[in-house]
Amino acid sequence: GESVGLHLPTLSVQEGDNSIINCAYSNSASDYFIWYKQESGKGPQFIIDIRSNMDKRQGQRVTVLLNKTVKHLSLQIAATQPGDSAVYFCAEISGANSKLTFGKGITLSVRP
Amino acid sequence: EAQVTQNPRYLITVTGKKLTVTCSQNMNHEYMSWYRQDPGLGLRQIYYSMNVEVTDKGDVPEGYKVSRKEKRNFPLILESPSPNQTSLYFCASSFRQGWSYNEQFFGPGTRLTVL
Repeated sequence: GESVGLHLPTLSVQEGDNSIINCAYSNSASDYFIWYKQESGKGPQFIIDIRSNMDKRQGQRVTVLLNKTVKHLSLQIAATQPGDSAVYFCAEISGANSKLTFGKGITLSVRP
Repeated sequence: EAQVTQNPRYLITVTGKKLTVTCSQNMNHEYMSWYRQDPGLGLRQIYYSMNVEVTDKGDVPEGYKVSRKEKRNFPLILESPSPNQTSLYFCASSFRQGWSYNEQFFGPGTRLTVL
């Protein structure tokens, strides 16, 4: 069936380095892709999104890349800070009712 | 302050005792949704509502009910809770879904334990 998943369960980076979090998806009909950040004890928080007709979108310190050929989504965080430590989820929107499907999540740990 | 609120935040109950988790948003959002989050499974949608009096099943609706009598409220009802419904529950809301995706705001979560 269609699914959204993540390659790695955990990622550890040095403070100040760039982080790259990857996600594979299987539904080629998805319209939107979103990255969420979830800090301990809190609900997911929207970071950035990208439409299926785009291949790159930049925000503040974050960039999302979409490669539809290989059905791959990535989140790049520049100059990673301790406050970036969290679980990150990719999610996709598809279907007539715009169903939101989440991946399983990856933990980003920032080393001081 | 624009927010989604859930109550209670923590609940321990016993099998078969009906419970309701409330969700309220003050952003005039049309779309509301409930998710459960379990280790290794991520967030899975239980039910969603496109607007008042319009609700539909998500991926894991069994054992749950919802209602949307008012725009701001979207309670989750467990008529007869079972231990496999022990989970972390999130309510979320946004303006209308559709091709122009609108940011979905999540509540703080409700940790439910069913003994």
